[in-house]
Amino acid sequence: KQEVTQIPAALSVPEGENLVLNCSFTDSAIYNLQWFRQDPGKGLTSLLLIQSSQREQTSGRLNASLDKSSGRSTLYIAASQPGDSATYLCAVKGTSGTYKYIFGTGTRLKVLA
Amino acid sequence: GAVVSQHPSRVICKSGTSVKIECRSLDFQATTMFWYRQFPKQSLMLMATSNEGSKATYEQGVEKDKFLINHASLTLSTLTVTSAHPEDSSFYICSARDRDAARATDTQYFGPGTRLTVL
Repeated sequence: KQEVTQIPAALSVPEGENLVLNCSFTDSAIYNLQWFRQDPGKGLTSLLLIQSSQREQTSGRLNASLDKSSGRSTLYIAASQPGDSATYLCAVKGTSGTYKYIFGTGTRLKVLA
Repeated sequence: GAVVSQHPSRVICKSGTSVKIECRSLDFQATTMFWYRQFPKQSLMLMATSNEGSKATYEQGVEKDKFLINHASLTLSTLTVTSAHPEDSSFYICSARDRDAARATDTQYFGPGTRLTVL
């Protein structure tokens, strides 16, 4: 059974810092991995999708890497801003054909002005 | 881009009543839709997988008689919480998988969620 864990659970940093969020998964047989952002009381915003054959994806100040064999992914946020404050979730989809995502426990990020 | 809507966005009901939540794919056909539940400050937990024209597949521990799922068309899935109780209060989010293989990278598109409060 796939289990997805995110570390740290919460993070508070001053504005301008570069930071790394970690995601680990127990079953390396994944189809893809996706990082999401969730603002309080809101739905999900997809940030980056990494296919199992890819090593990383970049979008603006965000960079996500994937090491499938070790069951790890990282989300790198450069030059953090107060507007980046949110909960970040990673989710993995297995290869069993059911297309369902298993979500991680989330990292609550607060960027201080 | 692909859009998934949910209706209502918020609902408050009395204990013992039933509540229906709709999930619609607005500009694509979704052969598969998923229903998630999220308790405060917790992650999303998959409840069930809904395939158009067939019975939903429920995750372990989810009561299928309490959470009725109907996926009657390629653009609509509904979740009905029957005989709701305060412990059913949660944030319910659906997602939809694009049927169009040409443009689908197996990305799922998520709805904005429905906040259910049972008094």
